[in-house]
Amino acid sequence: AQTVTQSQPEMSVQEAETVTLSCTYDTSESDYYLFWYKQPPSRQMILVIRQEAYKQQNATENRFSVNFQKAAKSFSLKISDSQLGDAAMYFCAYRSLIQGAQKLVFGQGTRLTINP
Amino acid sequence: NAGVMQNPRHLVRRRGQEARLRCSPMKGHSHVYWYRQLPEEGLKFMVYLQKENIIDESGMPKERFSAEFPKEGPSILRIQQVVRGDSAAYFCASSPTRMSSYEQYFGPGTRLTVT
Repeated sequence: AQTVTQSQPEMSVQEAETVTLSCTYDTSESDYYLFWYKQPPSRQMILVIRQEAYKQQNATENRFSVNFQKAAKSFSLKISDSQLGDAAMYFCAYRSLIQGAQKLVFGQGTRLTINP
Repeated sequence: NAGVMQNPRHLVRRRGQEARLRCSPMKGHSHVYWYRQLPEEGLKFMVYLQKENIIDESGMPKERFSAEFPKEGPSILRIQQVVRGDSAAYFCASSPTRMSSYEQYFGPGTRLTVT
């Protein structure tokens, strides 16, 4: 079974600075998806960024980018120019491509605080 | 296009009562997933359904919990004889039929409190 580990329960960063959230995962599959979700106090799950494992190029969405290291099974999220609205819980998630097994496997989460 | 809808948003039940949580997927979506989030934890998969079929229930507790997604109407997660440990946020997500679709769209969740 796949597992996802986020080793940083809490992180904080000064507004406008850059922060990196760590995520490692374990799988025997060669193709899969990886995601970062944001959960603000409203509890709504918001997709931040996704990465297909077959793509070598790291995904980027505006101020959010990932460092995907397939061999190391590492998938970190970098947030540049941090804003107060980025404060939230961040969850890393894995999704298999096997039919019938498309559930998301989540890490434990990292609580990100933005200091003004 | 309305998003995934869940109701109720908040549900309070006494120990021993039944809880019914409803999820209406996005229009055109035929795959529904239920996840549970205990306080200060990540989301844990419970069950994956397609219309009239349970595809994967590996995350469902063996007793008291059941789920359905009928041909017509919302998906229902049913918890019988609730206990305090069932207090959690329950999220529903839906995805389109095509296998190439990667994203699951989440509802706002139902917060269940068992007193």
